[in-house]
Amino acid sequence: AQSVTQPDIHITVSEGASLELRCNYSYGATPYLFWYVQSPGQGLQLLLKYFSGDTLVQGIKGFEAEFKRSQSSFNLRKPSVHWSDAAEYFCALRGDSWGKFQFGAGTQVVVTP
Amino acid sequence: NAGVTQTPKFQVLKTGQSMTLQCAQDMNHEYMSWYRQDPGMGLRLIHYSVGAGITDQGEVPNGYNVSRSTTEDFPLRLLSAAPSQTSVYFCASSYSAGGQDEQFFGPGTRLTVL
Repeated sequence: AQSVTQPDIHITVSEGASLELRCNYSYGATPYLFWYVQSPGQGLQLLLKYFSGDTLVQGIKGFEAEFKRSQSSFNLRKPSVHWSDAAEYFCALRGDSWGKFQFGAGTQVVVTP
Repeated sequence: NAGVTQTPKFQVLKTGQSMTLQCAQDMNHEYMSWYRQDPGMGLRLIHYSVGAGITDQGEVPNGYNVSRSTTEDFPLRLLSAAPSQTSVYFCASSYSAGGQDEQFFGPGTRLTVL
């Protein structure tokens, strides 16, 4: 069975500080991994994705994520957050089935002045 | 391209009523999915489709039906609404190319069942 765990339900960070959101997965083979962002009242937007190759993936809005097979993790990072980064962030996994994605519970990010 | 569209944006139902949430995409994507989003639970897959005429159950299919008669449309039917189906529903479509895929989401439908 596959699963995605986001251990942090809520994170508060100061504007300009760095941000790291954790994502752990369980899957028997190499998964396809994604990070999405959802602004209040909006749909989901893809930040970045990992399929193979370089384990450090660059995305939009200055985000990056690192795939670590040994730790079954795919953590999202941003060096310096902006107030507009306040949103909910979801990690997702696709296994062998095309079109079938599994999402974590999400991490709510609050940015303080 | 309009992308993925969903109607209605908001809906209030009484227990026992039925309704259909509409989803359409104009990107010629093979795959389409329905999710529900509840606080603290992320997005949970209800049903998905890998092409016209082919659907399969996701994690939480009970109480919902789907069909996919065309590539573009993937309606979600609530047969007899229950308060537990109060949620925000998202439709998504995805493609596969070069061994990669990506999901595109609609704006969501907020459903309240009284």
